Amino acid sequence: QTVVTQEPSLTVSPGGTVTLTCASSTGTVTSGYYANWFQQKPGQAPRALIFSTYNKHSWTPARFSGSLLGDKAALTLSGVQPEDEADYYCLLYYTGGQLVFGGGTSLTVL
Amino acid sequence: QVQLVQSGVEVKRPGASVKVSCKTSGYTLSDYYIHWVRQAPGQGLEWMGWINPNSGATTSAPKFEDWVTLTRDTSTNTVYMEVNSLRSDDTAIFYCAYGDLFYMAVWGKGTTVAVSS
Repeated sequence: QTVVTQEPSLTVSPGGTVTLTCASSTGTVTSGYYANWFQQKPGQAPRALIFSTYNKHSWTPARFSGSLLGDKAALTLSGVQPEDEADYYCLLYYTGGQLVFGGGTSLTVL
Repeated sequence: QVQLVQSGVEVKRPGASVKVSCKTSGYTLSDYYIHWVRQAPGQGLEWMGWINPNSGATTSAPKFEDWVTLTRDTSTNTVYMEVNSLRSDDTAIFYCAYGDLFYMAVWGKGTTVAVSS
């Protein structure tokens, strides 16, 4: 069974920069995993931020960016705002049309 | 703009089935995939499967293969997810999301399914 791993929690100061990562139990995450990133605030549906590793949706704030970092996919928030406090989930695509979410990262802005 | 409107809260007994709907608007249903995602209380997101509304083809995560049926009605631009043999630990919010094979863009607000005797 494929497992996608994220940091369980991270803390960042307002105005700071933080990077969240997303690893696959199958090995190095490449662009072929088409990494997606989602933000979820309490009581709300998830909101899509990044697709296909690097691409932003039209509504994604400029301070969010996606990349590959070493053997993982990464989401970087630059100039963090208090409203960025939320849970963040990555999603990876696997051969055969299967997708797997990571366990999520709880981001605290403090 | 793209909108996904999901059906309302469901309360079911263990062993029952439930059918959740996801009515789409603002785009051509057959042009994009619909994914389904489960979130148990206090837990993370689980991808359940997708349907290609153009062909009706579906793929499900192994965990949900024998438990979930995905269908669509192109005449009403609505996609359905049916789950059978519910158990109390199946209580969750079920989301539909529009996108392609590799991504999900716009999400519905979710449908809460509560299973209790």
